Amino acid sequence: NAGVTQTPKFQVLKTGQSMTLQCAQDMNHEYMSWYRQDPGMGLRLIHYSVGAGITDQGEVPNGYNVSRSTTEDFPLRLLSAAPSQTSVYFCASSKGISEDYGYTFGSGTRLTVV
Amino acid sequence: QQQVKQSPQSLIVQKGGIPIINCAYENTAFDYFPWYQQFPGKGPALLIAIRPDVSEKKEGRFTISFNKSAKQFSLHIMDSQPGDSATYFCAASPKQDKYNNNDMRFGAGTRLTVKP
Repeated sequence: NAGVTQTPKFQVLKTGQSMTLQCAQDMNHEYMSWYRQDPGMGLRLIHYSVGAGITDQGEVPNGYNVSRSTTEDFPLRLLSAAPSQTSVYFCASSKGISEDYGYTFGSGTRLTVV
Repeated sequence: QQQVKQSPQSLIVQKGGIPIINCAYENTAFDYFPWYQQFPGKGPALLIAIRPDVSEKKEGRFTISFNKSAKQFSLHIMDSQPGDSATYFCAASPKQDKYNNNDMRFGAGTRLTVKP
């Protein structure tokens, strides 16, 4: 029962580098989302997906890309890292249309951009 | 601007006390109001959730009160314990739609400390 798995747990990037944060879930959840968590700002939605092949932007999408080619995976790409993207990133999934919209979160990726 | 406003930012109570955390929202399309608990170094975990057709929901020591007309909801923790020390987030989501919405918005969080 892995739930939502995020890799890597920690990453340091130089400004301008690109990287992909991986997220995989094994619960057959339709909905997946990426959030960033910054002190005093809670969790802010970056991108989300309601199913394979369907993605949309959240509150803070600039500088990030996503794709959803399978139900299980929802990678987040940083195209050209900036210090403002230093944050803790959480991937989450939920069943989707149901009585319970509750999210299951991964354990996070702590990213530092220098 | 934040769609869900949460207060206070931090809260300290004695063991056995009843901390109350408040949230307010503006978007009347919100249909689902969960609370999440987060321990340091971990992802948030769903604690309890409510829909706007009920005014209160209780699960164990945790209670959500919901006031639809005021667009406010709150979390009460009865008989609080040191193990409840964590950051609590309220959230709100519009009615889920296959083609439209998976857009859950979170409050800024409340850091709760329960002293022994």
